[in-house]
Amino acid sequence: AQKITQTQPGMFVQEKEAVTLDCTYDTSDPSYGLFWYKQPSSGEMIFLIYQGSYDQQNATEGRYSLNFQKARKSANLVISASQLGDSAMYFCAMREGRALGRLYFGRGTQLTVWP
Amino acid sequence: SQTIHQWPATLVQPVGSPLSLECTVEGTSNPNLYWYRQAAGRGLQLLFYSVGIGQISSEVPQNLSASRPQDRQFILSSKKLLLSDSGFYLCAWSPSPNYGYTFGSGTRLTVV
Repeated sequence: AQKITQTQPGMFVQEKEAVTLDCTYDTSDPSYGLFWYKQPSSGEMIFLIYQGSYDQQNATEGRYSLNFQKARKSANLVISASQLGDSAMYFCAMREGRALGRLYFGRGTQLTVWP
Repeated sequence: SQTIHQWPATLVQPVGSPLSLECTVEGTSNPNLYWYRQAAGRGLQLLFYSVGIGQISSEVPQNLSASRPQDRQFILSSKKLLLSDSGFYLCAWSPSPNYGYTFGSGTRLTVV
């Protein structure tokens, strides 16, 4: 079974609008961490935000927030006030407590921001 | 501060030729190190990870190998490249299993 599922191959949003990128995960480990990375066309992977399984509050980093719904096993990324520079591929990833730091990645969502 | 260096940035190699990609981390000691491959339009596939010098774990059987000759050096190799080895190779490190990764800038390998 897929550890991380990103069901949106592509998303489009107008500049200054908010957008939600979906991510669901599958694990039986009670200790895990969830990550979002941004990959621009240059290829570099840029860390955006982290949510631990025991964190009580949703993580936020500037315009990025993570909508963590533990019971539904979802960890959606919300980008507020989209900018043209947000156009990129976005990957959701999970680290399980027992997995020696290995990150499982989803297939990604290509976000396009239009003016 | 910690930095990760990966080279070369791009590489075009003929089928059957050898490969050596190098990754080094500065500003930390005993990092966990990882090699990932990203095929075009796909997610990231873990190839190898290492928790210490000489300790290599392989996730996917293939004609690639990895070595960690020094604490902060991680090398991805092949004796004979295949067309299917083409892709974007990313090295990453983390300070411990409880943290996420910092990635290198990647190597775009094209096997022709």
